[in-house]
Amino acid sequence: NAGVTQTPKFQVLKTGQSMTLQCAQDMNHEYMSWYRQDPGMGLRLIHYSVGAGITDQGEVPNGYNVSRSTTEDFPLRLLSAAPSQTSVYFCASSYYRSPEELFFGEGSRLTVL
Amino acid sequence: AQKITQTQPGMFVQEKEAVTLDCTYDTSDPSYGLFWYKQPSSGEMIFLIYQGSYDQQNATEGRYSLNFQKARKSANLVISASQLGDSAMYFCAMRDRGSTLGRLYFGRGTQLTVWP
Repeated sequence: NAGVTQTPKFQVLKTGQSMTLQCAQDMNHEYMSWYRQDPGMGLRLIHYSVGAGITDQGEVPNGYNVSRSTTEDFPLRLLSAAPSQTSVYFCASSYYRSPEELFFGEGSRLTVL
Repeated sequence: AQKITQTQPGMFVQEKEAVTLDCTYDTSDPSYGLFWYKQPSSGEMIFLIYQGSYDQQNATEGRYSLNFQKARKSANLVISASQLGDSAMYFCAMRDRGSTLGRLYFGRGTQLTVWP
């Protein structure tokens, strides 16, 4: 009964370092997405995917890469971390037949020094 | 332009009272969906309620109801009989046909505090 699993839950990086936030879901959902949450800003979409091999940009894609090689996994890569990427990141997934049911992971808190 | 506007950064309500959290939205798409999520201090996003633009009745889920006024483009969340555990951040969100299925636009949230 895992749902959407994000790792790591906490990470501290130095400016310029790279890292990958992992997201996995075991519900066979077609749609997966990454959001970032900043104080006073709500959640903003970074990248999303409508199926394996298909990804697209959201509102705030700069500085992030994604890929979707399997239905289950949707990793988010920070190529060269910047302090502006300090945020809480949420991965979400949904089934195409019921897109209103968006399932969120527990979030990953990233600090870039 | 903001698709979702939540004008109340913070709200306070006494336990057992009802509270309304405001949400207005902006879309020209006749087909859209409106959502409310709760985020407690632990950080997870909890889905509360959904309203489709073509739904005839206002959505209800237990103590939560959505006051949907299409002409005013508002989708206020009403929590009846507030409990201390309702203290959390609440987000209104929308999906329309202009957005890919599964993609939501979020408001900035309202911090609700329930006091005894």
